[in-house]
Amino acid sequence: RKEVEQDPGPFNVPEGATVAFNCTYSNSASQSFFWYRQDCRKEPKLLMSVYSSGNEDGRFTAQLNRASQYISLLIRDSKLSDSATYLCVVNRRQLTFGSGTQLTVLP
Amino acid sequence: DVKVTQSSRYLVKRTGEKVFLECVQDMDHENMFWYRQDPGLGLRLIYFSYDVKMKEKGDIPEGYSVSREKKERFSLILESASTNQTSMYLCASNGQFNQPQHFGDGTRLSIL
Repeated sequence: RKEVEQDPGPFNVPEGATVAFNCTYSNSASQSFFWYRQDCRKEPKLLMSVYSSGNEDGRFTAQLNRASQYISLLIRDSKLSDSATYLCVVNRRQLTFGSGTQLTVLP
Repeated sequence: DVKVTQSSRYLVKRTGEKVFLECVQDMDHENMFWYRQDPGLGLRLIYFSYDVKMKEKGDIPEGYSVSREKKERFSLILESASTNQTSMYLCASNGQFNQPQHFGDGTRLSIL
């Protein structure tokens, strides 16, 4: 079983839609959690950290459920520029990356 | 802003060559990391370093070595390049292990 599992997609949604990505992790000792965004042929860039209380950054909301070992990312009012691969990342002493969920926002 | 710089964006080498990939960060970060990224496999950690001259193996260290002689520089070495080492190589750094990592632009390495 992979340490971090994500639905690979692809998710194809119209502009303005709300889309949610889920991620599960297997190691309960994981300490910190992140969502990264990776554009085609580019490096991963930090989108947001994920906190136990849940956190929001503009149109993006991240949630963490430690009991279920589950992380989510919600994108509201999708823009064309949101098209990318979203990586769920779990940290103990080093980062473990999910394989990513591909999102395409269509005009 | 954190700047992680990798020496080459694209590199083509031949089987059996010794290949050096260089990475420099300008934020005085303690920790530096080398990953490779392949389609369907995601990012996999090759080696990391938590201090000068200190290193630890990641998930896939075979066929690679690393060098950290100065805090800002972390080198990945392919001792004898093979075609299965054709990949995108990404360097990253952070100040503490529980912090997010910042990535360089990546090096697309092709071994012919």
